[in-house]
Amino acid sequence: GESVGLHLPTLSVQEGDNSIINCAYSNSASDYFIWYKQESGKGPQFIIDIRSNMDKRQGQRVTVLLNKTVKHLSLQIAATQPGDSAVYFCAETFNDYKLSFGAGTTVTVRA
Amino acid sequence: SAVISQKPSRDICQRGTSLTIQCQVDSQVTMMFWYRQQPGQSLTLIATANQGSEATYESGFVIDKFPISRPNLTFSTLTVSNMSPEDSSIYLCSLRVGNGELFFGEGSRLTVL
Repeated sequence: GESVGLHLPTLSVQEGDNSIINCAYSNSASDYFIWYKQESGKGPQFIIDIRSNMDKRQGQRVTVLLNKTVKHLSLQIAATQPGDSAVYFCAETFNDYKLSFGAGTTVTVRA
Repeated sequence: SAVISQKPSRDICQRGTSLTIQCQVDSQVTMMFWYRQQPGQSLTLIATANQGSEATYESGFVIDKFPISRPNLTFSTLTVSNMSPEDSSIYLCSLRVGNGELFFGEGSRLTVL
């Protein structure tokens, strides 16, 4: 079946540096993508989304890039802070229906 | 946005028993989703719960094991039946708002002994 996967299961980042989290998806028909952040003991929290008619979308300290040619999604976090330590999931969907989640990347911010 | 409340937030259960998880939403929504997150894993969709109709289950999940109720537009329950240690997971209720965002509750952390 179709699935969304992540390139790296863990990422260690120095506080203040930029973080890049990558995601590969396999369903070329997916038209909506979301990044979630899950802190320990909490449910996933929406970070940012992007539709397939866009290549880039920016939020507060976060940017999502979509490369449909190679079916690749990335999340960039600027000036990473300790509060950014969490597991990050990408998710994809087609026609705004069911979301399929990737494996997750654990981000650890070093002081 | 939406506020989703789940109960219980966590529980420890004995093998062979059943547990019902409640999900209360602060607004009316047509579709609600139940996900499972096994320890250290990603989220897997169990079923989609529409008000007024039977839930739609994903491959690998059956109604006898995970019966779902959806009595109105703000409430749903998921029951984990005849539990075994393999059912130890976080169970998450979610819903989609108008712009496509999927919001999650804080989850119900279930440990089966």
